[in-house]
Amino acid sequence: AQTVTQSQPEMSVQEAETVTLSCTYDTSESDYYLFWYKQPPSRQMILVIRQEAYKQQNATENRFSVNFQKAAKSFSLKISDSQLGDAAMYFCAYRASMNYGGSQGNLIFGKGTKLSVKP
Amino acid sequence: DGGITQSPKYLFRKEGQNVTLSCEQNLNHDAMYWYRQDPGQGLRLIYYSQIVNDFQKGDIAEGYSVSREKKESFPLTVTSAQKNPTAFYLCASSIRTLRATQYFGPGTRLTVL
Repeated sequence: AQTVTQSQPEMSVQEAETVTLSCTYDTSESDYYLFWYKQPPSRQMILVIRQEAYKQQNATENRFSVNFQKAAKSFSLKISDSQLGDAAMYFCAYRASMNYGGSQGNLIFGKGTKLSVKP
Repeated sequence: DGGITQSPKYLFRKEGQNVTLSCEQNLNHDAMYWYRQDPGQGLRLIYYSQIVNDFQKGDIAEGYSVSREKKESFPLTVTSAQKNPTAFYLCASSIRTLRATQYFGPGTRLTVL
């Protein structure tokens, strides 16, 4: 079964600095999708960034970028120029590209990393 | 505006009672999902539906039931058989391909008194 591990329960960053959140996953599949979601205090899950496993190029979205290492099964999120509004829980998620055990490619989440931003 | 709505935002239930959580979307998405979130945990899948009048159990379906009579709506019933129903419940939807990104509603906090 696929699993997603976020080894940092909490992280802290100074405003305007850069922080990297770690995520590793386990799968025997070769084609899949990886996501980072942000959950602010309002608790709504917001998509931050998405990566297709068949793409070698790392995804970027403004101040957010990923370091996707397929062989190492690692998918870290880098936040540049951190802002107070970046403070939130961040969840890494995996989705298979094919039906796997009847799961229809549903999302599998890590336990999250709580990011604090200091002014 | 297009989006996903969940109601109510907060819900209180007495032990032994069934309660239904609402999820509506106007994104024209075929697929809809229900997740449960507990403190210090990621999201776990309860039920999902890829098309109207069809739904499948997720990882933690025991004590829950769903229906999908309309494309826009996917209500979740938490039954008295659910041993520990106090949690935060999130609904999501997506287009019906495995490449699709899931978009989430604002969630419902259920507390059993």
